Amino acid sequence: KNQVEQSPQSLIILEGKNCTLQCNYTVSPFSNLRWYKQDTGRGPVSLTIMTFSENTKSNGRYTATLDADTKQSSLHITASQLSDSASYICVVRHAGGGNKLTFGTGTQLKVEL
Amino acid sequence: NAGVTQTPKFRILKIGQSMTLQCTQDMNHNYMYWYRQDPGMGLKLIYYSVGAGITDKGEVPNGYNVSRSTTEDFPLRLELAAPSQTSVYFCASNDLGQRTSTRGNTIYFGEGSWLTVV
Repeated sequence: KNQVEQSPQSLIILEGKNCTLQCNYTVSPFSNLRWYKQDTGRGPVSLTIMTFSENTKSNGRYTATLDADTKQSSLHITASQLSDSASYICVVRHAGGGNKLTFGTGTQLKVEL
Repeated sequence: NAGVTQTPKFRILKIGQSMTLQCTQDMNHNYMYWYRQDPGMGLKLIYYSVGAGITDKGEVPNGYNVSRSTTEDFPLRLELAAPSQTSVYFCASNDLGQRTSTRGNTIYFGEGSWLTVV
């Protein structure tokens, strides 16, 4: 069964600290993996897209990694800010026809003073 | 640059009522989607469309209908609302496969529509 599992389910950190969110998937065949940020009451917004051949991709203070062999991805947030408080969703696209996506349930991050 | 626009933002329906969630995008995307997001669950695909005049079922299509008469618009219809349809609904679009695609296949989401059926 094609699944995307994220951990931890929720996380609280102090402003300025770093954190790492995990995503494990069983989707096969694999096309790409995306991380989205979803602020409370808003739609998801894309942070990164990683294909099979990419190991690391950065977007400002966000760095995503992908190990296609172990089917694991991580999202590292550096020097966290209050505005980073959101749900972070890992999404895996299936290879082949169409645009089938499997969404993780997200990690709820709260950054506190 | 509006992107994906959904209306209404909030709606309360009585069991058995009907309503339409509107969605429009101004990016000339070929693909459009409707997802629902329930608490503690990942987004589930209801219906999608690969272009005007073409629609197809997603994972959870029961109780919903869609149409795609133009590239821009992709309304979602609930015919007989049920409490199980209480959820947050997201419309989305992307330009997968188009020659004019410049951003890979990033999916752009609307702001969401909160629907409660009582």
